Amino acid sequence: GENVGLHLPTLSVQEGDNSIINCAYSNSASDYFIWYKQESGKGPQFIIDIRSNMDKRQGQRVTVLLNKTVKHLSLQIAATQPGDSAVYFCAEIGGSNYKLTFGKGTLLTVNP
Amino acid sequence: KAGVTQTPRYLIKTRGQQVTLSCSPISGHRSVSWYQQTPGQGLQFLFEYFSETQRNKGNFPGRFSGRQFSNSRSEMNVSTLELGDSALYLCASSTSGRMNTGELFFGEGSRLTVL
Repeated sequence: GENVGLHLPTLSVQEGDNSIINCAYSNSASDYFIWYKQESGKGPQFIIDIRSNMDKRQGQRVTVLLNKTVKHLSLQIAATQPGDSAVYFCAEIGGSNYKLTFGKGTLLTVNP
Repeated sequence: KAGVTQTPRYLIKTRGQQVTLSCSPISGHRSVSWYQQTPGQGLQFLFEYFSETQRNKGNFPGRFSGRQFSNSRSEMNVSTLELGDSALYLCASSTSGRMNTGELFFGEGSRLTVL
């Protein structure tokens, strides 16, 4: 698959558990953050976003937390399912409004 | 509504050759951006086009170029291919190109292997 050879941080969880994926960003001027999910053989898919004037945002089964003090972003997935297995990337808008800067990604594996 | 379509999905080239990749954005989307994805460097921004004009460019050598047509379809070209150009090339489209709306949709990519 597309993830073969990637030396990514990995997270392995049991089906039904909650997952927390972390991301550190570097640009203190970034004001918009997005989490993407990339399944093997596919392009990244938007999950949830958050602006810098917020510290928490919830979606369906997902929550994003933003800590601007330590430049840290996390994605929480509730009741993780096998279909959640994928690589998760955080991305930030820094400077230009027309490009994203992506983090390295985390490989999430959900065991049935 | 059809998604972002990239062609070809897979291709193999040899060093020194050139390659052209194509991207058809979602209907109505005028912004197309390109990203390179490799195991070592992750996802890196190449360039972004809006209404046939390049608005932003990443830190890639001049061998990497692109263009956008009046129907918003975009192509990217890599000349004098090197082994390190082997990667998944992703195209993404949006209505305005402003990333802070979250309305960025990716294609499935073109997997380039350089031998």
